[in-house]
Parts: sequence; structure tokens; C-alpha cells
Amino acid sequence: GENVEQHPSTLSVQEGDSAVIKCTYSDSASNYFPWYKQELGKGPQLIIDIRSNVGEKKDQRIAVTLNKTAKHFSLHITETQPEDSAVYFCAAASNNAGNMLTFGGGTRLMVKP
Amino acid sequence: GAVVSQHPSWVICKSGTSVKIECRSLDFQATTMFWYRQFPKQSLMLMATSNEGSKATYEQGVEKDKFLINHASLTLSTLTVTSAHPEDSSFYICSASPLSGYTFGSGTRLTVV
Repeated sequence: GENVEQHPSTLSVQEGDSAVIKCTYSDSASNYFPWYKQELGKGPQLIIDIRSNVGEKKDQRIAVTLNKTAKHFSLHITETQPEDSAVYFCAAASNNAGNMLTFGGGTRLMVKP
Repeated sequence: GAVVSQHPSWVICKSGTSVKIECRSLDFQATTMFWYRQFPKQSLMLMATSNEGSKATYEQGVEKDKFLINHASLTLSTLTVTSAHPEDSSFYICSASPLSGYTFGSGTRLTVV
């Protein structure tokens, strides 16, 4: 089955700096890669996703890049703000409707004011 | 956007009793829903895939007689933790997959005392 590795497990940055979180996956059939933000005591919230036919996607301060050959994808957050502090999870799925998501281990991001 | 409603948000029960958690897709039909368990500071682990009108598919190591799943309609799946024990205390999260991706409920914090 799919295996998703996520690094780093914790990340501390100063407000205004950029944050990068990286994930690798094992199943070359995976074609959907979402990123979730989870705040304490809440369910994961989708912040951005990318499909395998695209190499990069951007939404304001958040961007995701995908390298299918190397089987890795990354989340980039620019101009970080204290409210970006949360746990971020990457995930992979081989179908974007009906097939299960496999999650990475999570990254605890702390943005220091 | 697609919304998944999960109730209750938290529950405390006595050892040996059963607890039911509901997961509803509010503005779309979900033939498949997913149930996850998350322990503190850990990632989401898939417990089972719930299929409308048929038996759920459980992941390896998850006791199907302990975690009863019913998906009787296209908008409702329930997870019943039977004969709960303190080790079942965890954060339970459901998910459904509209065409646009995966949406998660807000989670249920179960504490068994």
C-alpha cells in the first residue's frame, strides 16, 4: 500500500519568514495530493491540493509543488503569520473520489511573533 | 462548499458502555465515508471505509465487532464504539469525498472513564 513520509515533524519560524514542509510517497499510482491544516481539537481543513497532471499550484501565500518522478511534493507558506501555527498533514490517494487517503506523520508549525 | 457534520464533538462515557458517533454529509451525497482515529500528537489512522448499503471495510487490526459502522443512507454514517474501554479514548474523525476532494468532520473526542 501507499506510504507517505513527512518532514520535518516540527518547524519553528519567525513571523514573516517562509515555511516549507516536504513529503514523499511510495505508490506511483497516487494522483491526488492534498494538504490539511489541523488546529487543536478540530478536524483537518483542506488548505490546498494538487493533482498529478500539474507541477505547481498557488493560492495566495500557499503553494504546493509536485515532482512525480521523484515522488515528492512540498508545501510552501510565505509571509507566515501567528495564525498559521497549527499541525499540517500531507496526504496521497490513488483516486480523488472513493479511494482512501494515506496521511503523512504531520508537521507542527510554530510561527513566533 | 462540501460540508461534513459530525456529532457529538465530545463525549465522556463509563467503561463498558457504548457510544454512537454520527457523520452527515450536508450538501452532497456520499456513497463512501471514512472513519479515522487520532491519538494525541499523532497522525490520522484509517479505521474503516463505510459504504452505503453494504458492509464496511475495516483496516487490519481494527475490531469490526467493537467498532460497528452503519451507512444506511447516502448522507449518514454512524460509528458505534461498543463496550468502550479507557484505551478506546481518542479523537475520532469522519470524512467523505465529494467530487472536489475529501472533506472532514470536526471530530469527536471520546473519553472513557
